[in-house]
Amino acid sequence: GAGVSQSPSNKVTEKGKDVELRCDPISGHTALYWYRQRLGQGLEFLIYFQGNSAPDKSGLPSDRFSAERTGESVSTLTIQRTQQEDSAVYLCASSSRTGTHTGELFFGEGSRLTVL
Amino acid sequence: EDQVTQSPEALRLQEGESSSLNCSYTVSGLRGLFWYRQDPGKGPEFLFTLYSAGEEKEKERLKATLTKKESFLHITAPKPEDSATYLCAVLSGGYNKLIFGAGTRLAVHP
Repeated sequence: GAGVSQSPSNKVTEKGKDVELRCDPISGHTALYWYRQRLGQGLEFLIYFQGNSAPDKSGLPSDRFSAERTGESVSTLTIQRTQQEDSAVYLCASSSRTGTHTGELFFGEGSRLTVL
Repeated sequence: EDQVTQSPEALRLQEGESSSLNCSYTVSGLRGLFWYRQDPGKGPEFLFTLYSAGEEKEKERLKATLTKKESFLHITAPKPEDSATYLCAVLSGGYNKLIFGAGTRLAVHP
């Protein structure tokens, strides 16, 4: 596809369940980011992948959160034992290597997670 | 700690009524300041990058400016389709992550 694709677009889960969110970046983009956006708030950085380099995991809020990316392809964000405070929109973005310096990130439409 | 603060939180304008949004920042070694637009239910869309104080960028009715401590997004003669949340972000030091402000929700009424 032409843009960043995220799935599912909506996910409702019960507290304590695990969830997986998927991001398919723009083809050829080496960098991939995950952000979290709580209702009415700004974007909170979670994790950054750049090619085959070690990811920057400094934004992951707890060890219940993890993310994987193989090469320059699809990424999966996993939240284990979900809590109500995990309810948010999870946004994925990708950029070219140049874009990581120009700040031109291309965002998907997000996965809205609701934990009951 | 790097910080980005946007004001006002919300702004209501009449069509044609020009105004400015503010983004103040505290960072260690600014590498760039960025403006994004976000429509409801959508991901943010890139607008501008500013690198150094005194720099300006324009796109249609929007003009972004940068000083050493803040950036302004000027909206000239806005139209209802300019209604959105405008996000400011910074890239600092040796980090790879953009740090976002909470945004300004702009509503332009006909």
